[in-house]
Amino acid sequence: GIQVEQSPPDLILQEGANSTLRCNFSDSVNNLQWFHQNPWGQLINLFYIPSGTKQNGRLSATTVATERYSLLYISSSQTTDSGVYFCAVYSGAGSYQLTFGKGTKLSVIP
Amino acid sequence: DTEVTQTPKHLVMGMTNKKSLKCEQHMGHRAMYWYKQKAKKPPELMFVYSYEKLSINESVPSRFSPECPNSSLLNLHLHALQPEDSALYLCASSQSGTIGETQYFGPGTRLLVL
Repeated sequence: GIQVEQSPPDLILQEGANSTLRCNFSDSVNNLQWFHQNPWGQLINLFYIPSGTKQNGRLSATTVATERYSLLYISSSQTTDSGVYFCAVYSGAGSYQLTFGKGTKLSVIP
Repeated sequence: DTEVTQTPKHLVMGMTNKKSLKCEQHMGHRAMYWYKQKAKKPPELMFVYSYEKLSINESVPSRFSPECPNSSLLNLHLHALQPEDSALYLCASSQSGTIGETQYFGPGTRLLVL
């Protein structure tokens, strides 16, 4: 099956700093999503980004499918950005099975 | 309204109990999902309902029984669970179940099986 690796596993930032989270995947995919789970467990679907770049406020994501990676950029981080960021890819054509990475745990300190 | 609600928030049950988890959305979505998330692990998809029909069952043990009484409501019936079933159970919904749609998640039910 598809392998999804995220780095770094843990990241501590001072409020206001920028960061880049990386997601590598082992096979060609045409569907990739980024999620954020806050410390209380609420999961939010951030981006569906099979290729190219998307931006939403202070967050943006880029996927280079041919090189099998995606990046999530967080600018001017805030304490509310803390939590775990997951990337996930769909396992096969027409499959609902999302293969998640293990996540990057982000802690933003004031 | 982009809210998915789940009840109860917390549940403690014994291995011989029968209980149900409830999920509700009023966004007019026609696809609903159950995920299981163990501590410090990513979510795992359990079931997908699309237009009130079960479309995906990811080889989940029969002690978990999903039900979709109508397009707004999704239940997960639990019976004879094991301690290793203790986890956060997340419900989500999306427009129609097309891959890549934004999924809206509920806050989850934290289940402890004793």
